[in-house]
Amino acid sequence: RKEVEQDPGPFNVPEGATVAFNCTYSNSASQSFFWYRQDCRKEPKLLMSVYSSGNEDGRFTAQLNRASQYISLLIRDSKLSDSATYLCVGNTGFQKLVFGTGTRLLVSP
Amino acid sequence: DVKVTQSSRYLVKRTGEKVFLECVQDMDHENMFWYRQDPGLGLRLIYFSYDVKMKEKGDIPEGYSVSREKKERFSLILESASTNQTSMYLCATAGAYNSPLHFGNGTRLTVT
Repeated sequence: RKEVEQDPGPFNVPEGATVAFNCTYSNSASQSFFWYRQDCRKEPKLLMSVYSSGNEDGRFTAQLNRASQYISLLIRDSKLSDSATYLCVGNTGFQKLVFGTGTRLLVSP
Repeated sequence: DVKVTQSSRYLVKRTGEKVFLECVQDMDHENMFWYRQDPGLGLRLIYFSYDVKMKEKGDIPEGYSVSREKKERFSLILESASTNQTSMYLCATAGAYNSPLHFGNGTRLTVT
């Protein structure tokens, strides 16, 4: 079983929709999590850090459920520009960052 | 804003060549990392460094070495490039414990 697992998608949603991705992790020692956004052939860019139960930034909300060992990312009012791959990252210790393989989101007009 | 600069965006090299990938950061971060990213495999850690002249192997160090002579610069070296090293290479830095990574814009290396 992979340490961090994501549904690869793609998730196809219309503009304005709400979409949620889940990311499951197997290492209960994971201390923090990050969501990154990656556009095609570009580097990952930090979207959100999650150190406790969750975090919210505008249209984006991340929720951490330690009991069930998953972290979710909710995007409200999807924009065309949200089309990208979203990477979930778990941190079990400073140099022990584990990346999921990403969930692809396609937002259509 | 953290700036992480990789010297080349695209690189084409021949099998057997020695390849240097350079990464420079301007944020005085102690910690620097080299990853490669391949379709379906995600990001995999090659090497990292938590201080000048210090280096630690990541998950896939074979065929690579690194150099960190100055705090701001972390180099990845392919001693003898092979076709299976064709990939996107990403440098990253991190500051304090538990802080996120900041990535450079990547080097897409093709080995023919």
